[in-house]
Parts: sequence; C-alpha cells; structure tokens
Amino acid sequence: KAGVTQTPRYLIKTRGQQVTLSCSPISGHRSVSWYQQTPGQGLQFLFEYFSETQRNKGNFPGRFSGRQFSNSRSEMNVSTLELGDSALYLCASSSPLSEQFFGPGTRLTVL
Amino acid sequence: SQQGEEDPQALSIQEGENATMNCSYKTSINNLQWYRQNSGRGLVHLILIRSNEREKHSGRLRVTLDTSKKSSSLLITASRAADTASYFCATGANPGGTSYGKLTFGQGTILTVHP
Repeated sequence: KAGVTQTPRYLIKTRGQQVTLSCSPISGHRSVSWYQQTPGQGLQFLFEYFSETQRNKGNFPGRFSGRQFSNSRSEMNVSTLELGDSALYLCASSSPLSEQFFGPGTRLTVL
Repeated sequence: SQQGEEDPQALSIQEGENATMNCSYKTSINNLQWYRQNSGRGLVHLILIRSNEREKHSGRLRVTLDTSKKSSSLLITASRAADTASYFCATGANPGGTSYGKLTFGQGTILTVHP
C-alpha cells in the first residue's frame, strides 16, 4: 500500500497570508490526524477527522481549521499567518484502535 | 501539552552497544506507540503496545509497558549508525474518551550512534 502523502512538502508564506495543506491517507484508513511540530513546543495535536467529521480538536486558535472529504483525503487551512506558525505540519492516518502512520510533513516557513 | 516525559533527553553510544530510552505518562491509555524521526522528517512508526500487553519485540527493538507505573521503555539492541535519530513515545487514549483519536507525544530522546 502507498503511504501517507502530503503536499506541498515545502511552503514559504508571508505574515497575514493563508495556506492550505493537503493529506492523502493510506487506502482504507478513515481517520486522519494533524500535528504541528516546532522546536519549542514539540509535537502538538491539531485535530482529527473520521468519516468527514471532526472528532477531536487540540488547543489551537480558530485560525487553524481542517476538513475531510468523502475519499478520506484531508486539508488543513491556516489563515492570517503569524511568524509563530512556522513549523513542520504532519498528517497521520489510521484504522480504529491501530497505529497512526505519518506522512513526510509539510515544512511551512512564515516570513 | 505534553503527556510524556522521556528520559534521557539525549543519548550517545558506540555502534554495537544497546540503547535504552524511557517514557512516562500521566493518564490512562489504550496503547503506547514509539516513533523514530530523522532530521525533521516524518515520523516512522516503530511499534505499538496495547495497555494489556507487557512486552513486545520487533527485530532489534524491545518495548515494555508498565501501566501501574505509567511508564514504557524502548530498547534497541546492537545499535548501528543508521539508528541515529530522535525517538518519541506517544500515548493513545481509550475509546469514548474526549481524547480518542489523538496521540500525545513526549519531548523525545535524541540518540547518536557513533561508528
């Protein structure tokens, strides 16, 4: 099976802009989770989607949003970018009560 | 917030030696997973151990779980230079709880294996 794919791999934006990141899960996986990784805060959970519904949400401002499509692909959006949003954004997919498999990540740099 | 504490924060060993990393957590869990990350790349899944298991093996990896102490350890035997990476433990919550579907990560252990 193909692994989790994320696009784009690298992104450079300026403050105030918005960005959309995409994640394609492993075939058959219906759960998609998003995480933010920064040197200061480590790996932090953003949100999780299952069957197009947000099932869980981390402690991030409303500028961070996401959605999941009927084919389980997911997107996350960050509006009004701030310098502190620079991070590696990781997507993971899983089957219920099973391992979460991660994609290669999108490296976002906000200037 | 980070649930897990990993110990040590950094570990430097020679090829052929064993490496042991420890992870502690705070709340009840359904499972605990270990991941490896090379230089800011994606996380590679190593092993999952469920709350009703005490020990699990995969190749050169051995994971133990002590739910009474809320702790886990990862042992890498006969380490290689290619094992150099950051290692993270992540806990998964029980179904039905408010944290279901979310992994909570420790801050990681940086392992350096010298040739």
